[in-house]
Amino acid sequence: DAGITQSPRHKVTETGTPVTLRCHQTENHRYMYWYRQDPGHGLRLIHYSYGVKDTDKGEVSDGYSVSRSKTEDFLLTLESATSSQTSVYFCAISEGRPENQPQHFGDGTRLSIL
Amino acid sequence: AQSVSQHNHHVILSEAASLELGCNYSYGGTVNLFWYVQYPGQHLQLLLKYFSGDPLVKGIKGFEAEFIKSKFSFNLRKPSVQWSDTAEYFCAVNAPGNTGKLIFGQGTTLQVKP
Repeated sequence: DAGITQSPRHKVTETGTPVTLRCHQTENHRYMYWYRQDPGHGLRLIHYSYGVKDTDKGEVSDGYSVSRSKTEDFLLTLESATSSQTSVYFCAISEGRPENQPQHFGDGTRLSIL
Repeated sequence: AQSVSQHNHHVILSEAASLELGCNYSYGGTVNLFWYVQYPGQHLQLLLKYFSGDPLVKGIKGFEAEFIKSKFSFNLRKPSVQWSDTAEYFCAVNAPGNTGKLIFGQGTTLQVKP
């Protein structure tokens, strides 16, 4: 399995609080991604990064921000969490461009916003 | 916009039955195609991928998929399922130049009865 660690694995928090999820990789891969998984929707891309300090929006980026100050870490922040952001969040990495390389996924973070 | 449809949302089979899960996508150009599997409580794992060449692709654990360009389809097959194949299966599509934007289908839950 690819060396991807997501933290925390589970979190329960209240509406309006800030939340940061961390994805750490030991593969030195250039590309990193954040997805959310919801029943009936499969996985939807939130943000992705194609290098240090290089990020771009996915299809469901509203309410989320990301940062990548080091190759190995990709942070996802919910500035003010809402109940609609309750979901399972997956980080993924790929060695090269996604059209040339498959993505490898972390174990997920289950986030509940009350 | 690109989309991926998995027509079977929940499939129940007995062990040794044959499996075919449908996947159709909407994109007229060259695509890269993937099937991922998510076993209960685990992260997504790559089953197989198609980038080019032979449209019949063989993956891990006896799975295969056939790319039919004229039908915009990439159906997943296995001749004889096992109880351990119980999982959720996701089809995904990436179009070259669409960096980072792997589009997933809604997923198909497969339940194999012993």
